[in-house]
Parts: sequence; C-alpha cells; structure tokens
Amino acid sequence: EPEVTQTPSHQVTQMGQEVILRCVPISNHLYFYWYRQILGQKVEFLVSFYNNEISEKSEIFDDQFSVERPDGSNFTLKIRSTKLEDSAMYFCASREREIRDTQYFGPGTRLTVL
Amino acid sequence: AQSVSQHNHHVILSEAASLELGCNYSYGGTVNLFWYVQYPGQHLQLLLKYFSGDPLVKGIKGFEAEFIKSKFSFNLRKPSVQWSDTAEYFCAVNAPDKLIFGTGTRLQVFP
Repeated sequence: EPEVTQTPSHQVTQMGQEVILRCVPISNHLYFYWYRQILGQKVEFLVSFYNNEISEKSEIFDDQFSVERPDGSNFTLKIRSTKLEDSAMYFCASREREIRDTQYFGPGTRLTVL
Repeated sequence: AQSVSQHNHHVILSEAASLELGCNYSYGGTVNLFWYVQYPGQHLQLLLKYFSGDPLVKGIKGFEAEFIKSKFSFNLRKPSVQWSDTAEYFCAVNAPDKLIFGTGTRLQVFP
C-alpha cells in the first residue's frame, strides 16, 4: 500500500538555524499538508498546498515558514530561523482529489531546537 | 470557532472490556468527522470517517462511531478491546479542507 514518507525521522538543530523537513506524498495525490504536534498538545494544522501554491495557512505559519514542491515527488517545509518553541513533531499529509478523500499521514519528523 | 474536544485523556481497560471515547465538535459548516489512531511508534492512521448518510459508521478493527448532530458528538466505540488496541486516538473535523484535531485519548489495554 502506498505511504507518505518523511525524512529525517529526527532533526536536532541550534536556535536560529534553518531546517528543511522533507516529505514524499503518495504519488497520485494532489493536495498536501503540514501539521505539527508539540509534545503533550494537540495536532495543529500549519498549511495546505495545491497546484503549486498555498491554499490555506494557520496563524502559526508565519514568515519564518515556507513550503515548496521542488519536483514531482517531494514536498518540503522550511523553517528559516528556528526558535525553541518550534520543537515539535511535524507531520506531512496528502490526499488524492476529492474533499471526501482521506488525508494520509507520514510518520513524522521530530524537530528538536536547542 | 472550530474546535474538537476529547474529554477522556487517558483510559485504562482490561481486555474484552467495552470502549467508548467521547468526541464533541464545534463547527458551523458541513461536518465531516474522523477518528485517527496512532499506535506506538507509528504514524496516524484513519480508523473511520463520516461524511453523510448513515450516522453509524463502521471502521477497521471492529471500531464504530455514531454521529449525533443534536449533541455535536462523534463518539468512538468498540464492544471488546484487545491488547493490540493500545494506542492514542484522535478525533478530527474537516474544516473544510484542514483537519482540526482533539487533544487525543491515550488508551491502555491490559491483558
């Protein structure tokens, strides 16, 4: 069964550094998402992406964040200058076409900012 | 404001016990509801979803959920849990194309 994959599984960085989290959505999916989960808190929506542009973003997704689909397979989340409070589990998700279609989640990247 | 509430944060059961996890939502538009499960060390997987039609939906692994519009609820049930059901369970609403999650319920099942 096709799966969403994410790399790396764990990223440790220093405050102020840039990080890029990578995702490979399921190949025939058209809609892509990033969510995050700070330890002990709920999973929160960050951004949705369709047709090479952002469809919607949350208040969390400020100017420090950006997303890109650099080729036909990868979907990346970049944090320009990481803060301590960016430490969280970041999940990528994708869905096929219709709004009724299930969002499939990747295993997540644990980001630790020191 | 859009929100999802899960009242049970941690549930501990013995095998064969019945399970009901509460979920209440607040959303003004057309409601699409989901239960996701996260087994230890694994990613979020869809258990079941409700879009329209029969308010009693059946999912994988013997789980079911009932949408009660008047109560803004979508509770998850299983008549007899197994040790392998130990996981974190998340209720979510599609609003309209992003998932709003509850805080999750950690279920521990002891043999």
